[in-house]
Amino acid sequence: DTAVSQTPKYLVTQMGNDKSIKCEQNLGHDTMYWYKQDSKKFLKIMFSYNNKELIINETVPNRFSPKSPDKAHLNLHINSLELGDSAVYFCASSQKGVSEQFFGPGTRLTVL
Amino acid sequence: DQQVKQNSPSLSVQEGRISILNCDYTNSMFDYFLWYKKYPAEGPTFLISISSIKDKNEDGRFTVFLNKSAKHLSLHIVPSQPGDSAVYFCAAGPYNTDKLIFGTGTRLQVFP
Repeated sequence: DTAVSQTPKYLVTQMGNDKSIKCEQNLGHDTMYWYKQDSKKFLKIMFSYNNKELIINETVPNRFSPKSPDKAHLNLHINSLELGDSAVYFCASSQKGVSEQFFGPGTRLTVL
Repeated sequence: DQQVKQNSPSLSVQEGRISILNCDYTNSMFDYFLWYKKYPAEGPTFLISISSIKDKNEDGRFTVFLNKSAKHLSLHIVPSQPGDSAVYFCAAGPYNTDKLIFGTGTRLQVFP
C-alpha cells in the first residue's frame, strides 16, 4: 500500500552507461515530480508532469529524459551517465494546485 | 542563489524540551511554506504548512510561525521526543505552486 514507490532503491553503474529509474504513485494524484538531492543535501526540482504533460523543466542536461506513460507513472531515463550524476533521486506526487507533495523513498545512484 | 535558507545544519535538544528550527527566505513571491521531516534512507514526509495569510499554524506538538516582514519562519516542537530525531526541511513557493524551493535541512537530535 506504498503511496509513492521507486525502483530501484540503489543503482551502481559505470560512467557512460544508460539507466532508468521508475516511479509509481497510487494516490490518484495528477502531478508528479523528480527531485535530485546532491552531496550538499540540496533538494532541487528537476521536472514536473501534470497528466502526462511536462510542466516544469529546470536547467537539467538533456541526457535526462522523463517519460510519463500515464498519470500514475513517471520514469527517469539518464543517458551517458557522468560522475556528477551521483545523487539521491526522489520522485514525488501531488494533486494539481495543492502544494503538499508526497515523496518516494529515493533512489541512490552511484556512478563509478 | 539560495532562496530558502536553513542556517543551522544541526540542533541537539533534550527530550521534553522545546526544539526550534529556523528558516529564512528571500523571494517575496513566496506565500506558502511547508516543513518536511526526513528519516535516513526514506523520502521527506510532509509535517505542517502555513500560508502567508496566517502567522501561526498548530498541529499537535508542532507549531509553525511565520514572520512575513522578516521573511522568516520557524518550527516549534514541544515537547521534543527521541522519535523526532530526523532532518527537517523547510520549503516555500507561491500558493498552489507545483514548484517548491527547499532549504538544505537541519538535523535535529533529541537525546534522553
